[in-house]
Amino acid sequence: DTAVSQTPKYLVTQMGNDKSIKCEQNLGHDTMYWYKQDSKKFLKIMFSYNNKELIINETVPNRFSPKSPDKAHLNLHINSLELGDSAVYFCASSHPYSYEQYFGPGTRLTVT
Amino acid sequence: ELKVEQNPLFLSMQEGKNYTIYCNYSTTSDRLYWYRQDPGKSLESLFVLLSNGAVKQEGRLMASLDTKARLSTLHITAAVHDLSATYFCAVDEGRGGADGLTFGKGTHLIIQP
Repeated sequence: DTAVSQTPKYLVTQMGNDKSIKCEQNLGHDTMYWYKQDSKKFLKIMFSYNNKELIINETVPNRFSPKSPDKAHLNLHINSLELGDSAVYFCASSHPYSYEQYFGPGTRLTVT
Repeated sequence: ELKVEQNPLFLSMQEGKNYTIYCNYSTTSDRLYWYRQDPGKSLESLFVLLSNGAVKQEGRLMASLDTKARLSTLHITAAVHDLSATYFCAVDEGRGGADGLTFGKGTHLIIQP
């Protein structure tokens, strides 16, 4: 009974393509996030959504566009993919009181 | 800009030994989190520390938080091989719960028999 799920798990694509990653949580949380983990394992927040509204957008190129159709889903669409976009992307959602974040399994994106 | 610094970044130790990982941060936040990540896997929540002086223990791991010193520690007691992983501390700035976490660079822990 997965709490935070992402699809696909692996994504290999060529430069210039457009791709999407989907995220769903069944925890009933109001806030969801996207993080990027680079090849050195450094984790950085990209976006935060609270109840379908964008709260923070940390200096992310506008080729990245999050979409939240409802509070259980937060998808990430990436246009014109570049080599530097290769990374693992994690979706997360947070508990409303402790703010503890629960992470999805990650999507490993490889741009060739 | 919030900064979170972990040390050491790499630690190789023998089974049975004790060690401590340190996490310093630059904000006045009193919410700090520890996560574990195994190779190729997601992040697993270990501890949530929500107030000054908070101490939590789970098995051979114990985490503490000193908000005045802006320091958290993760102590490993009598290490076993299964604890080999990368450990991250993370802080949020407490601006209403919708903030993302700022992570340290992680401590890559290897425990040898």
